[in-house]
Amino acid sequence: QKEVEQDPGPLSVPEGAIVSLNCTYSNSAFQYFMWYRQYSRKGPELLMYTYSSGNKEDGRFTAQVDKSSKYISLFIRDSQPSDSATYLCAIGAGGGNKLTFGTGTQLKVEL
Amino acid sequence: NAGVMQNPRHLVRRRGQEARLRCSPMKGHSHVYWYRQLPEEGLKFMVYLQKENIIDESGMPKERFSAEFPKEGPSILRIQQVVRGDSAAYFCASSPPSENYGYTFGSGTRLTVV
Repeated sequence: QKEVEQDPGPLSVPEGAIVSLNCTYSNSAFQYFMWYRQYSRKGPELLMYTYSSGNKEDGRFTAQVDKSSKYISLFIRDSQPSDSATYLCAIGAGGGNKLTFGTGTQLKVEL
Repeated sequence: NAGVMQNPRHLVRRRGQEARLRCSPMKGHSHVYWYRQLPEEGLKFMVYLQKENIIDESGMPKERFSAEFPKEGPSILRIQQVVRGDSAAYFCASSPPSENYGYTFGSGTRLTVV
């Protein structure tokens, strides 16, 4: 079993839709949870960073963490064509700086 | 403020040659990380360095790969005697001392071994 599982997609939605992206993880030692966005041929860009269960909101993006279920989500409201990218979840354990990444979900927002 | 600078963007090497990938962290960032991204796979941790120190190299292959972050100059990831399986995108990230996980990534070096 992989430490972090993420549905690779691709996921195609119409403009304006609410997008839900998810990851599950197996190691309860993980304490830090991040979502990165990666455009084609570019480096990952940090979108959201949280270290506790619950919700964190930033503009159209909401990150949700459920440590009891080992499940994290990223919601995108009012999705735009510019949101078309690969979204990577990343998780870190306390005491170190190493991140474990999911394989990424490819999202396409269509006009 | 320039971001994390990686060069070259693209690197082609023949099997058996050496590849040198360079990374200049953001200003004020003293922590550097290298990750490798293979097609259809996520980013895989390779090594975490601070100035003149390797902190965690648990993701580095035991042979042919080495990394350094000297007191002056960029961090270098070196791959000796490259093989076709080394073809991948190599990303460098940096963070300030106070921020463990909030990395900033560079645009990557795409290594192709022919």
